[in-house]
Amino acid sequence: QKEVEQDPGPLSVPEGAIVSLNCTYSNSAFQYFMWYRQYSRKGPELLMYTYSSGNKEDGRFTAQVDKSSKYISLFIRDSQPSDSATYLCASNVNTGFQKLVFGTGTRLLVSP
Amino acid sequence: DVKVTQSSRYLVKRTGEKVFLECVQDMDHENMFWYRQDPGLGLRLIYFSYDVKMKEKGDIPEGYSVSREKKERFSLILESASTNQTSMYLCASRRLAGYNEQFFGPGTRLTVL
Repeated sequence: QKEVEQDPGPLSVPEGAIVSLNCTYSNSAFQYFMWYRQYSRKGPELLMYTYSSGNKEDGRFTAQVDKSSKYISLFIRDSQPSDSATYLCASNVNTGFQKLVFGTGTRLLVSP
Repeated sequence: DVKVTQSSRYLVKRTGEKVFLECVQDMDHENMFWYRQDPGLGLRLIYFSYDVKMKEKGDIPEGYSVSREKKERFSLILESASTNQTSMYLCASRRLAGYNEQFFGPGTRLTVL
């Protein structure tokens, strides 16, 4: 079993839709949870991160962590074609070298 | 802005060749990483370095080695390339442990024939 699981998609939505992207994880020691966005032929870039459980909002994006169910979510409101990308969730523990463990990524397609 | 550059965007090599992938970061970051990215497998850590001349094996180091002689440069070496090393290779840097954000380069698409 992978430490971080993610549905690969693709997820296709019309412009303006609310998008929900999800991951599950198995390591109870994970404390930081991140979402990276990767456009085609580019490297990933950090979109948001949260520490422990709770919500964090940044513009149209909301990251949510439920540690009791080991569930990570990213919500995108009013989705735009420019949001079309692969979204990777990642987690790590707050000790040692803090290597990131990535999900496989979900490909999102937002059509005009 | 932090910039991580990789020496090639696309590379085609033959089985058995020695391959060098170079990565340079311009923000004086302590930590650097090499990943490979494959469909259905995501990003997997090959090697990382927490300082100059320091290196540690990641999750899939077999068939690879690394070199970090200068702080800004981290090289990945395929001693004898094989077809199963055909992949997207991504380099990343991080200020140091305790900072969560890793900054990625654009990647090198390596094809081994």
